[in-house]
Amino acid sequence: QSALTQPASVSGSLGQSITISCTGTSSDVGNYNLVSWYQQHPGKAPRLMIYEASQRPSGVSDRFSGSKSGNTASLTISGLQAEDEADYYCCSYAGFKTYVVFGGGTKLTVL
Amino acid sequence: QVQLVQSGAEMKPPGSSVKVSCKASGGNFRTYAITWVRQAPGQGLEWMGGIVPSFGSANYAQRFQGRVTITADQSTNTAYMQMNSLRSEDTAVYFCAIDRNYGWFDPWGQGTLVTVSS
Repeated sequence: QSALTQPASVSGSLGQSITISCTGTSSDVGNYNLVSWYQQHPGKAPRLMIYEASQRPSGVSDRFSGSKSGNTASLTISGLQAEDEADYYCCSYAGFKTYVVFGGGTKLTVL
Repeated sequence: QVQLVQSGAEMKPPGSSVKVSCKASGGNFRTYAITWVRQAPGQGLEWMGGIVPSFGSANYAQRFQGRVTITADQSTNTAYMQMNSLRSEDTAVYFCAIDRNYGWFDPWGQGTLVTVSS
């Protein structure tokens, strides 16, 4: 069982928007603004999409956005494209002892 | 821009050890923190531990403490992850990544498949 809770799967049609939630506790997501999101295509390494809850690295499409409220972080993808179909993982800093925890991952299907 | 290249796939018998390397190029290795994450087949990501090469000391996830050793060689810009007492459940792809800031991992190595089987 992963430390952060994500839906196992979400789906959306081309051009639509979807949101993936990531629920933690006051010891991780709720206590730090250090949530990151990763995209992983099959057989590939993860790719950073969002860091510090809402910051987008250079080179990442502005269709990807992140937010956080309380113990829940969210990743929103607008204008869905076929290449967005992938697994998405959230990650949060959880203090010096635990360091970081990941969510179980969400499989995004683009219809 | 820094890139990470990992060593090739390994097949090991149960009870043995494996050492995976992660070589950095295109950046200042001494200023980075390197982290290791593994992914079992069909499963999610799991943080294992990390090291700041210029400091030399590593920290580990509790479940890997005592069985995993993470080191770094500044002369070759290479980080290593050694796991002992391998069991079938350790079959996974092992990734290294630059830890920018408390869980902000970017970029990642290509991954190294470690298969534990008799």
